[in-house]
Amino acid sequence: KQEVTQIPAALSVPEGENLVLNCSFTDSAIYNLQWFRQDPGKGLTSLLLIQSSQREQTSGRLNASLDKSSGRSTLYIAASQPGDSATYLCAVDTGGFKTIFGAGTRLFVKA
Amino acid sequence: DTGVSQDPRHKITKRGQNVTFRCDPISEHNRLYWYRQTLGQGPEFLTYFQNEAQLEKSRLLSDRFSAERPKGSFSTLEIQRTEQGDSAMYLCASSLVQINTGELFFGEGSRLTVL
Repeated sequence: KQEVTQIPAALSVPEGENLVLNCSFTDSAIYNLQWFRQDPGKGLTSLLLIQSSQREQTSGRLNASLDKSSGRSTLYIAASQPGDSATYLCAVDTGGFKTIFGAGTRLFVKA
Repeated sequence: DTGVSQDPRHKITKRGQNVTFRCDPISEHNRLYWYRQTLGQGPEFLTYFQNEAQLEKSRLLSDRFSAERPKGSFSTLEIQRTEQGDSAMYLCASSLVQINTGELFFGEGSRLTVL
């Protein structure tokens, strides 16, 4: 059974700092891994999608990496801004229809 | 393309009442998913449709829950005889199976509060 864990559960950093969010999964047989952002009371916004054959994806200040053999993914945020404050969710697609989510990392960027 | 749309955004109801949520997926997307999210947790899979066929249901979906997707377009999720434990955010997502990436696009969610 696939399980997804995100560490840390919460993180507070000063504006401008580079930071890394971690995601681990128990079964390396994945189809893809997706990172989402969720603002309080809102839905999920897709940030980056990494296919199982890929090692990383980049979008602006965001870079996500995938290491299937170790069951890990990281989301790197460069030069953090207060507007980056949100919950970041990692989700693993095991193939077919079911995507398994972690509980998220709540990020607060202080001005 | 206006993205995935959900209605209502927030529903407050009394225990024992029935509620229905609607999801309109991105127009060309043939897969539609329902997830439930409680405070501090990630979304949990409830059910999914490919076109109009409901292909899988989670054990979380008790017999009080029913979902439909008539004609493979919008979907409804109905909860009968609501209980306080049903209070959660109900999220809808869609994807296009033909492009084979599996990328999910979510709506803004429907928050249910059962008093």
